[in-house]
Amino acid sequence: DAEITQSPRHKITETGRQVTLACHQTWNHNNMFWYRQDLGHGLRLIHYSYGVQDTNKGEVSDGYSVSRSNTEDLPLTLESAASSQTSVYFCASSAGRGGNEQFFGPGTRLTVL
Amino acid sequence: GQNIDQPTEMTATEGAIVQINCTYQTSGFNGLFWYQQHAGEAPTFLSYNVLDGLEEKGRFSSFLSRSKGYSYLLLKELQMKDSASYLCAVRSDYKLSFGAGTTVTVRA
Repeated sequence: DAEITQSPRHKITETGRQVTLACHQTWNHNNMFWYRQDLGHGLRLIHYSYGVQDTNKGEVSDGYSVSRSNTEDLPLTLESAASSQTSVYFCASSAGRGGNEQFFGPGTRLTVL
Repeated sequence: GQNIDQPTEMTATEGAIVQINCTYQTSGFNGLFWYQQHAGEAPTFLSYNVLDGLEEKGRFSSFLSRSKGYSYLLLKELQMKDSASYLCAVRSDYKLSFGAGTTVTVRA
């Protein structure tokens, strides 16, 4: 069955370190998204991609970057982790222009000490 | 930008009906989604409205009025497993903007 996976599921890191969160989907979806979820804020969009070599900034992109070298993967990099980036991160994907719902991965809980 | 409002919490009794309202102001609109999220889990899709009116899917129904910037999710015959957060999201250019979510607690 097609699915979307994230790794690691839990990560503890230190301030200033570079961290990469992986997202892999086997739906063959063009669109992929990264969100963070914090109490009181709901899900906020960090970066998104509509296809290979396409990346775009969301509403909370500062301190994060993504790259899209193939259809299946959209890794999220925190260039220099900060305590404010402690959060739960969700990756999602959806089909092309006519697609409807986004399918979410299981999430990664990141703690920055 | 997007401004999406929904109540923070609601409590209801098992077997009852609960209605979760969502109001939005957006710079673009091509659909409104409702997702369910149990604690510690990923959001899962519940419903989608792009035209005005009511969409029914089993015990769950969702309504949309585009002119009023308003939607609601109706949960009927509540069960304990319906205790979760319910997220309203507006789609624009294939991106979703989410409200902060409504936590529904179902009591026996």
